[in-house]
Amino acid sequence: DADVTQTPRNRITKTGKRIMLECSQTKGHDRMYWYRQDPGLGLRLIYYSFDVKDINKGEISDGYSVSRQAQAKFSLSLESAIPNQTALYFCATSDPMTGRETQYFGPGTRLLVL
Amino acid sequence: QKEVEQDPGPLSVPEGAIVSLNCTYSNSAFQYFMWYRQYSRKGPELLMYTYSSGNKEDGRFTAQVDKSSKYISLFIRDSQPSDSATYLCAMSERSTLTFGKGTMLLVSP
Repeated sequence: DADVTQTPRNRITKTGKRIMLECSQTKGHDRMYWYRQDPGLGLRLIYYSFDVKDINKGEISDGYSVSRQAQAKFSLSLESAIPNQTALYFCATSDPMTGRETQYFGPGTRLLVL
Repeated sequence: QKEVEQDPGPLSVPEGAIVSLNCTYSNSAFQYFMWYRQYSRKGPELLMYTYSSGNKEDGRFTAQVDKSSKYISLFIRDSQPSDSATYLCAMSERSTLTFGKGTMLLVSP
């Protein structure tokens, strides 16, 4: 079983709709992250959470919100989707106890906003 | 100037070639340096991790960091068609990563 799972894997929605992307992990890591990836722009950080009570904005948080429901679950919401939010979305986790900053990624959610 | 610069490629090489992938950065606060490999339609997977200046080897892969020049490299020896992927450099500061845009590598049989 994958350590970091994302649902759905693919989603098509319309402008103005609310959509939630979910991430679950079995790695036992405290830290979780949401990124989007666009051609030519690379991976950009949307939000991150160092524990259940800690939520931080990343580089491009406008238009997004998150919820950390438990250590293992971190959801990303688009309250009113717009076409330029069409992208590949990745969840990642890391373990600060290792003393490293390495992150482990899920398989991604491909989102198309029409 | 972007914090992390990486040539997008594509870089095309024949099987067996030595590949050199590079990133430059401007933020001297970056402490940890990583290389990720991303196959098409997949999530990035950690390939190499380094902390200090110098070389780190793992099988056919060697990661090199030169903090004085703000330059990191990934070398792949005896490249294989299965190495065809996009390679992302990443650097950390205060527990968040900044990624390069990735270099697409194509290894032809």
